[in-house]
Amino acid sequence: AQSVAQPEDQVNVAEGNPLTVKCTYSVSGNPYLFWYVQYPNRGLQFLLKYITGDNLVKGSYGFEAEFNKSQTSFHLKKPSALVSDSALYFCAVRDTLGGKLIFGQGTELSVKP
Amino acid sequence: NAGVTQTPKFQVLKTGQSMTLQCAQDMNHEYMSWYRQDPGMGLRLIHYSVGAGITDQGEVPNGYNVSRSTTEDFPLRLLSAAPSQTSVYFCASRSRRENTEAFFGQGTRLTVV
Repeated sequence: AQSVAQPEDQVNVAEGNPLTVKCTYSVSGNPYLFWYVQYPNRGLQFLLKYITGDNLVKGSYGFEAEFNKSQTSFHLKKPSALVSDSALYFCAVRDTLGGKLIFGQGTELSVKP
Repeated sequence: NAGVTQTPKFQVLKTGQSMTLQCAQDMNHEYMSWYRQDPGMGLRLIHYSVGAGITDQGEVPNGYNVSRSTTEDFPLRLLSAAPSQTSVYFCASRSRRENTEAFFGQGTRLTVV
């Protein structure tokens, strides 16, 4: 079965420090991977995606993600965190059979001044 | 460009009542989906549609019905509301191309008492 796991419910980072939000996946075939961000009382906003090509993907708001096929991971990263980055982050994989999006359980990122 | 529009934003229902959550998109997307978001469980797929006249069940379809009579609209019907259906509901759409991301509405917060 295809699945996504975000092993950390919460990540705490000091402003200005680098941040990593972890994601691992299980999918048959080549994965299509996505990161979304959700601010309080809002819908999900697309951050970035990996389809094919370079393993390092750059996205919105200075975020990037590294695709690692051997470790089946797609960790979200940012070199210098901002307080405004505090939000709920979701990793998702596209089901290769029916095209559905399968989400992880989400990671709450808290960036303190 | 409005994107994906959901109505209402908030709703309180009594157990046993029925209602329809509306979702409309103006991007001519073939794919539309309904998710529910519950704390610690990420987003779970309720129903989805790959085009007008075609719908299918997702992970948690029980208690919900959908129809897709036009490309633009994908309403979600609760036939007899139960407290277990208290959740935040999100509608999403995307084009049929596999490498495209999904766009989400702002959500409907439903409380069943």
